[in-house]
Amino acid sequence: NAGVTQTPKFQVLKTGQSMTLQCAQDMNHNSMYWYRQDPGMGLRLIYYSASEGTTDKGEVPNGYNVSRLNKREFSLRLESAAPSQTSVYFCASSTIPTNEKLFFGSGTQLSVL
Amino acid sequence: AQSVAQPEDQVNVAEGNPLTVKCTYSVSGNPYLFWYVQYPNRGLQFLLKYITGDNLVKGSYGFEAEFNKSQTSFHLKKPSALVSDSALYFCAAPIRGGGSQGNLIFGKGTKLSVKP
Repeated sequence: NAGVTQTPKFQVLKTGQSMTLQCAQDMNHNSMYWYRQDPGMGLRLIYYSASEGTTDKGEVPNGYNVSRLNKREFSLRLESAAPSQTSVYFCASSTIPTNEKLFFGSGTQLSVL
Repeated sequence: AQSVAQPEDQVNVAEGNPLTVKCTYSVSGNPYLFWYVQYPNRGLQFLLKYITGDNLVKGSYGFEAEFNKSQTSFHLKKPSALVSDSALYFCAAPIRGGGSQGNLIFGKGTKLSVKP
């Protein structure tokens, strides 16, 4: 019963460094998402993938790229990290994009110094 | 613009008392509405959803939510709070129209603190 698995759980970067956050789900879900959570701002959608082979920008895509590697995996890349990207990142998945509940991973706490 | 609002940053309740966490919405068409809960250092978990039908929706852990179309509200309720209910609660609704159709927009969250 793994559900949605995110790695790493914690990461500290220096400004300008790059890294990739990994996400995998074992529920055969079609849609996957990356959110960031900041205090007092709730969750904001960075990118999503409605189905394998497609990706689209969400509310706050600047500074990020994504790859839907296959149906199970959806990675988020920071090419040149900035302090404004310090946040908690959550990956989520759902069976279909509309009106269905999301299943979330446990999050990645990222600090950019 | 479509939005979901949670007017209270924090709600404090004594154990055993009823609790209410408020949510109002502004979305196009007939709304689909969700409540999620986040325990410390965990991802969000689905609690319940309103699609259509009865205005009172029952969900996990004894929670329920009341949909009120005239007040555009979807308040989360529980008759008797437990200390273990202490968590961060998010209201959400799918975006209607445009390129992000179907993706959820979340309120800013309400921290529920239940004291013994």
